[in-house]
Amino acid sequence: SAVISQKPSRDICQRGTSLTIQCQVDSQVTMMFWYRQQPGQSLTLIATANQGSEATYESGFVIDKFPISRPNLTFSTLTVSNMSPEDSSIYLCSGRDRGGINTEAFFGQGTRLTVV
Amino acid sequence: LAKTTQPISMDSYEGQEVNITCSHNNIATNDYITWYQQFPSQGPRFIIQGYKTKVTNEVASLFIPADRKSSTLSLPRVSLSDTAVYYCLVFGRSSASKIIFGSGTRLSIRP
Repeated sequence: SAVISQKPSRDICQRGTSLTIQCQVDSQVTMMFWYRQQPGQSLTLIATANQGSEATYESGFVIDKFPISRPNLTFSTLTVSNMSPEDSSIYLCSGRDRGGINTEAFFGQGTRLTVV
Repeated sequence: LAKTTQPISMDSYEGQEVNITCSHNNIATNDYITWYQQFPSQGPRFIIQGYKTKVTNEVASLFIPADRKSSTLSLPRVSLSDTAVYYCLVFGRSSASKIIFGSGTRLSIRP
């Protein structure tokens, strides 16, 4: 399966600032997904990103707070805007192959964000 | 989207076989059943995927009854390194299908 590289792996940010997380895939994928995971909790889907169109956000997540870019089939970014301590979490990106036999998704290692 | 239900936690010992059962009563015809493993500070890692009957790979087996409303992940002869959270997921074959995580099962292996 493909490999996802996520940057940064961790960061400590001041409240009120923004952080952009990058996700690079070593092969082309149709869909990319962004998740948030609180310590000890399961993953919560933030949005789905398709190349060339606006991301689709899940309930409770809005574009102004979590703008997403998907400029091509191997790259995506998630920005956490105007951060507050409540945004402290692990953020993960995921991609799925473009069809065929393999249907599983693969994940990056995550970005551990701490807002102070 | 099919909701999954699995035990919150399980304990076992090294060398034992561990079976984790997942319930997915409203699975759709096009849905596949997929299991992931997650270690602390890492992203989830694909273990196995199946549609019906039995699937086996080098790390696990997946048993799916005919009605597909449940599935069982079987880990043979577990070791301490199998301590992790295991997620049962149900999603469609299309790359656009959303992948929603349930609560997962926290598996602890003891010496």
